Amino acid sequence: DVKVTQSSRYLVKRTGEKVFLECVQDMDHENMFWYRQDPGLGLRLIYFSYDVKMKEKGDIPEGYSVSREKKERFSLILESASTNQTSMYLCASRPHVVAGQYFGPGTRLTVT
Amino acid sequence: DQQVKQNSPSLSVQEGRISILNCDYTNSMFDYFLWYKKYPAEGPTFLISISSIKDKNEDGRFTVFLNKSAKHLSLHIVPSQPGDSAVYFCAASGGNDYKLSFGAGTTVTVRA
Repeated sequence: DVKVTQSSRYLVKRTGEKVFLECVQDMDHENMFWYRQDPGLGLRLIYFSYDVKMKEKGDIPEGYSVSREKKERFSLILESASTNQTSMYLCASRPHVVAGQYFGPGTRLTVT
Repeated sequence: DQQVKQNSPSLSVQEGRISILNCDYTNSMFDYFLWYKKYPAEGPTFLISISSIKDKNEDGRFTVFLNKSAKHLSLHIVPSQPGDSAVYFCAASGGNDYKLSFGAGTTVTVRA
């Protein structure tokens, strides 16, 4: 079974803090994704990576950056957390273009 | 601007009856469609998919129908079971696009 793990299930940070969300997948997938899920808005793509050291902006990249130094690990960085970044963050991976994405359990981030 | 729309935020159905979830899309380049199921505090899990060369795909109790001319797809769950109570997301992608566009989700509640 594919396993996608996220470093924290719940996180509380203060406004202005730098926040790192880590995601690791164990199936040698090329593509990895970061989404946020908000009520009434579904899942919105923040960034994705189609290979090591490659990254592309998604639909809502502002306020975020990413890092993919190794194939199995994709990190989401909030450079200076703000209250409007309070959300559920979901990481996903997939082996090739036409395939379903496998999601991690999510990180519920609260910025106060 | 959301390219995938799920206009019904919630659906309540009696156990044993059929659940029908609807999804509309606006991008004519979409050619691959997926349904995901999400329980609270868990990541979405892939349920079923369909490519644009087909108009129906069936997997056990789950059937997805695609009407390309109407840019509409639906998910049928027969018979509905209490464990089907979850949020269901419709998603779509086009060509070699790495991105999936998600709808806002429909919360299904199966009543005993």
